[in-house]
Amino acid sequence: NAGVTQTPKFRVLKTGQSMTLLCAQDMNHEYMYWYRQDPGMGLRLIHYSVGEGTTAKGEVPDGYNVSRLKKQNFLLGLESAAPSQTSVYFCATRRPGNTGELFFGEGSRLTVL
Amino acid sequence: GESVGLHLPTLSVQEGDNSIINCAYSNSASDYFIWYKQESGKGPQFIIDIRSNMDKRQGQRVTVLLNKTVKHLSLQIAATQPGDSAVYFCAEDDYKLSFGAGTTVTVRA
Repeated sequence: NAGVTQTPKFRVLKTGQSMTLLCAQDMNHEYMYWYRQDPGMGLRLIHYSVGEGTTAKGEVPDGYNVSRLKKQNFLLGLESAAPSQTSVYFCATRRPGNTGELFFGEGSRLTVL
Repeated sequence: GESVGLHLPTLSVQEGDNSIINCAYSNSASDYFIWYKQESGKGPQFIIDIRSNMDKRQGQRVTVLLNKTVKHLSLQIAATQPGDSAVYFCAEDDYKLSFGAGTTVTVRA
């Protein structure tokens, strides 16, 4: 089992370009999350999904869009990249219910020039 | 909004000593807390969790203590090893999970 797989792992963009980060999971988890991690800021939630076809805003949603068309995939889109979106992005999944354990991907490092 | 925060951004500990990492939270209604470990270049990994109806929970070499009176929790690592060098996060489970900024633990040989 691969667990949680993020693609791409590295990407350099120019300001104004668009791109999509893909998160794929094979654990059949209902909940999926996108976080960004910046130095000294910890993990901040961008968007999340509690099931196929549903999405919701997290703490820092501006400049990002998401889609959950299939249960196993959660896409994070940047329509017009800005230097402030330079970060490491992590996808995570969890089972519904009382367990809080998140299973994280390895991260995607995005640089916007 | 409510938040969690770690007391110290860095902690240096001698190999073999015990480590204590502290975390404060502000939402008195929080019911569930989790500790994660993040090694360099990797995603965070679950270490241990605790519910608000407990004040202590033990795992393998790790213990989490919860003090609801002062809204504080701590992670204790026994006999710290080089492999324990990482960033440690406490998280407050408000369904979406809110993470603190993390404490970087460095183990000295």
